[in-house]
Amino acid sequence: NAGVTQTPKFQVLKTGQSMTLQCAQDMNHEYMSWYRQDPGMGLRLIHYSVGAGITDQGEVPNGYNVSRSTTEDFPLRLLSAAPSQTSVYFCASSYSDETGELFFGEGSRLTVL
Amino acid sequence: KNQVEQSPQSLIILEGKNCTLQCNYTVSPFSNLRWYKQDTGRGPVSLTIMTFSENTKSNGRYTATLDADTKQSSLHITASQLSDSASYICVVRQYGNKLVFGAGTILRVKS
Repeated sequence: NAGVTQTPKFQVLKTGQSMTLQCAQDMNHEYMSWYRQDPGMGLRLIHYSVGAGITDQGEVPNGYNVSRSTTEDFPLRLLSAAPSQTSVYFCASSYSDETGELFFGEGSRLTVL
Repeated sequence: KNQVEQSPQSLIILEGKNCTLQCNYTVSPFSNLRWYKQDTGRGPVSLTIMTFSENTKSNGRYTATLDADTKQSSLHITASQLSDSASYICVVRQYGNKLVFGAGTILRVKS
């Protein structure tokens, strides 16, 4: 099992450009989510999905879109990148049970100039 | 407001020494609390989960405690190793499945 796979690991964008961060998991997890991690702050939830075809907003959704067409994939789209979106992004998945251990990808470091 | 506060922010210890990391929370209603270890450049990995009825749980050299009355948890690392250098994140789950993350404690173990 590869677990949770994120691509790319690093990306540099110019302000206004768009891009998609890819996330795939092979554990048949129903729950998938995207977080951003900034220095000195806890992980913040951007968007999440409880199953294929179902997505919802998290704590900081503005400027990001998601879709969940399959159980395995949960891409995150930046519509028009801004310097404030410079961050490290993590995709995570879990079984939808009350213990809810999150399995994280390796992260994608995004810099917006 | 649901919050998770971790202390200290950072810590440097000598290899072989013990250390204790603190997590105080105001999350209610409480479901469970997890400690994650995040190595530099990697994603967080779960170390242990604490539920309401558990006071202490060990995972090798890591021992987590929970005092649900005072809403405090600690992570004790025994006989530290260089590989323990990482960020340790406390995450509290609220009933209804909302997660509240602490900002983490950065531990550096020196030889």
